[in-house]
Amino acid sequence: KNEVEQSPQNLTAQEGEFITINCSYSVGISALHWLQQHPGGGIVSLFMLSSGKKKHGRLIATINIQEKHSSLHITASHPRDSAVYICAVSLGDMRFGAGTRLTVKP
Amino acid sequence: SQTIHQWPATLVQPVGSPLSLECTVEGTSNPNLYWYRQAAGRGLQLLFYSVGIGQISSEVPQNLSASRPQDRQFILSSKKLLLSDSGFYLCAWSAGGAGYTFGSGTRLTVV
Repeated sequence: KNEVEQSPQNLTAQEGEFITINCSYSVGISALHWLQQHPGGGIVSLFMLSSGKKKHGRLIATINIQEKHSSLHITASHPRDSAVYICAVSLGDMRFGAGTRLTVKP
Repeated sequence: SQTIHQWPATLVQPVGSPLSLECTVEGTSNPNLYWYRQAAGRGLQLLFYSVGIGQISSEVPQNLSASRPQDRQFILSSKKLLLSDSGFYLCAWSAGGAGYTFGSGTRLTVV
């Protein structure tokens, strides 16, 4: 079993929809990261969380340490949000989820 | 401010040829450095990490090696590439805490 599990693997949405991507982990962590990988492969760090909730523009990330679960929400989704979203946890080094491929259609 | 440089962005190499990917960090001292690989359709996997000059730890046995000749330089190498070495290679650094900064990645295609 992977240490970091993401769902769904693939997600297609219409522009404007509210999107949720989930991440569960099975190990003790110092922080959880949400990353965005664009089609060319480059990775951008969206959030680093150790508790609670963070918001940046239309993106919201939450984490529940007791339940070992985090969610990434995108409000008013747009085609430019199309990317692979990766959950990762820090335990000294990083362990990554397999990613969620999001496609937002106009 | 701290920055990380990784090059080249893309690389096409024939089977059996050598490989050298370089990653350098600016604006910090004694960073922890990492090489990750993302094979097609799979998640990122840690290949090597280094906590100091000349100190390399390998997570998985493979056809690759890593070196850290200087504090802020991390090199990924192979003497003879295999088709299975194709993938996306990502360098990252951290200051030992939870925060990580990623390079822009190298897409390697072995033909």
